[in-house]
Amino acid sequence: DARVTQTPRHKVTEMGQEVTMRCQPILGHNTVFWYRQTMMQGLELLAYFRNRAPLDDSGMPKDRFSAEMPDATLATLKIQPSEPRDSAVYFCASGLVPILAGGLSSTDTQYFGPGTRLTVL
Amino acid sequence: GQQVMQIPQYQHVQEGEDFTTYCNSSTTLSNIQWYKQRPGGHPVFLIQLVKSGEVKKQKRLTFQFGEAKKNSSLHITATQTTDVGTYFCAGPKLTGSARQLTFGSGTQLTVLP
Repeated sequence: DARVTQTPRHKVTEMGQEVTMRCQPILGHNTVFWYRQTMMQGLELLAYFRNRAPLDDSGMPKDRFSAEMPDATLATLKIQPSEPRDSAVYFCASGLVPILAGGLSSTDTQYFGPGTRLTVL
Repeated sequence: GQQVMQIPQYQHVQEGEDFTTYCNSSTTLSNIQWYKQRPGGHPVFLIQLVKSGEVKKQKRLTFQFGEAKKNSSLHITATQTTDVGTYFCAGPKLTGSARQLTFGSGTQLTVLP
């Protein structure tokens, strides 16, 4: 049963500290998404990778957030320095979309990991 | 830009009552997906609708895609406590070469025993 895994599941840190969250997408999937979920904002897309290349990170605060895919089995989301307002649940999701995107597709389904619950004090 | 609106935001029902959540998009969608997130859990894919006017059923859940492919609904018959959670609809958005999902704000369902 293939699943997206995320580590750590919980992280409590102090303001100003660096936080790194990791995600292992489902083997064979070519897209990875990072979302942030809060009560106030709901699910917000932070970054999107296809075939390890960043395609859209417009939802991510550039000054403190960075997302990378060093290889096909690992995606990272880093916050430096962290702030209390970054407290949220961060989800990674993976999927398989056609290389030539556009038109009708039945392959937009995303599979979410369990999330990392981040608390910044 | 594309927006996906969902109503209601919250719904409390007595166990055994029916429940419906509605999703409306500002643009025509090539498909629409529904996800369920249990309290403390992560969104889990339920179903995808592709065709205009499509209706799909999963046990007590009925999903509909509007004729204009701009709206959708999820109806649960005779709710059970296991139905508790937040239901999200999501539609694909094509931005340049990036294909991503736009999620609705979700409907949080509470089922009272």
